[in-house]
Amino acid sequence: KQEVTQIPAALSVPEGENLVLNCSFTDSAIYNLQWFRQDPGKGLTSLLLIQSSQREQTSGRLNASLDKSSGRSTLYIAASQPGDSATYLCAVSYLLGAGSYQLTFGKGTKLSVIP
Amino acid sequence: DTGVSQDPRHKITKRGQNVTFRCDPISEHNRLYWYRQTLGQGPEFLTYFQNEAQLEKSRLLSDRFSAERPKGSFSTLEIQRTEQGDSAMYLCASSLLRWASTDTQYFGPGTRLTVL
Repeated sequence: KQEVTQIPAALSVPEGENLVLNCSFTDSAIYNLQWFRQDPGKGLTSLLLIQSSQREQTSGRLNASLDKSSGRSTLYIAASQPGDSATYLCAVSYLLGAGSYQLTFGKGTKLSVIP
Repeated sequence: DTGVSQDPRHKITKRGQNVTFRCDPISEHNRLYWYRQTLGQGPEFLTYFQNEAQLEKSRLLSDRFSAERPKGSFSTLEIQRTEQGDSAMYLCASSLLRWASTDTQYFGPGTRLTVL
């Protein structure tokens, strides 16, 4: 059974600081890995998706890396802003069979950026 | 397109009652997923459809839960004889899986269920 772990569970940083969120997964046979953002009481917003054949993806101040062999991914946020405060979720997609995929999520890292 | 929508956004019900939630995916998306999220946890997969076919169901989906996508467009999730343990956020997502696509899932705002 695939398990996804995110460390730390919560993080508080001053505005402007660069930070790294960590994600690890137990089964390296993944199809892709996604990072999501979730604001309190809201749905999920996809931030970055990395295919299993890729090593990293970048979008603005966000950079996600993937090391499939070691079962790890990181989300790097540059020059953090108070608007970045949210819970960040990592999810891996893997093939169940016959074209059927499943997303398994970590519990998330709750980020607070202090002005 | 306005994205994935879910209705209602909030539902309060008494234990033992039946509830039904609706999800409208992004119009051209052929895959639709249901997840359940409890406080402090990540979403957990419940089931998914490709067009109108239900291809996978989690063991979390007890026989009190049923999901349909009759015409391959909107989907409904029904919970019969609700229990307090069913209280959670129910999230719907959709994706377009084609050859060489990434199957990125786009999530709706969720339906928060409270069972008293």
